[in-house]
Amino acid sequence: DAGVIQSPRHEVTEMGQEVTLRCKPISGHNSLFWYRQTMMRGLELLIYFNNNVPIDDSGMPEDRFSAKMPNASFSTLKIQPSEPRDSAVYFCASSSLNRDYEAFFGQGTRLTVV
Amino acid sequence: DAKTTQPPSMDCAEGRAANLPCNHSTISGNEYVYWYRQIHSQGPQYIIHGLKNNETNEMASLIITEDRKSSTLILPHATLRDTAVYYCIVRSPQGAQKLVFGQGTRLTINP
Repeated sequence: DAGVIQSPRHEVTEMGQEVTLRCKPISGHNSLFWYRQTMMRGLELLIYFNNNVPIDDSGMPEDRFSAKMPNASFSTLKIQPSEPRDSAVYFCASSSLNRDYEAFFGQGTRLTVV
Repeated sequence: DAKTTQPPSMDCAEGRAANLPCNHSTISGNEYVYWYRQIHSQGPQYIIHGLKNNETNEMASLIITEDRKSSTLILPHATLRDTAVYYCIVRSPQGAQKLVFGQGTRLTINP
């Protein structure tokens, strides 16, 4: 398996634009997590899904952020409209329910909002 | 989730054992201790986890005190590639429980 695949790897956008980050979890994994990492706040859990259903979105910073998981092999994190303070590295991770001690992370998407 | 306390940074000489401490004094009976690390510019990577017995795998050893209020991750023969931020996390194993990362320990292996 190629691991968790995120796209794009880098994204530069202007303030006010819509940004969509994509994630393909490892095949067979039941859980999917979206994290955001900044120097100031470290790694923050934004939302996680179990069997494509959002379980906890308490980490989503505000209504500008939304996440979907239409099927077991794809998830998106959307920011609309984007703001400079959204600049961060966004990680997606997945795990299997019967081995949920080990989450596998993607390489991340580095987002810069100017 | 119980909170953890780790030193912000540590140094270790290449080839020596690196011992990374973690305090989790409020851990509850069914919560496991997990260790992850994050090498620069990469996503975090699972290392090891345990409940109350000491654990060892190909990457590291985990020593948990008898009262479970603290633990130590041991990298027996540190290499330069072990330079990373190491995170100690406690959580319940039931269901798809979230991993909440603290600030971790920045370990630097010196040649």
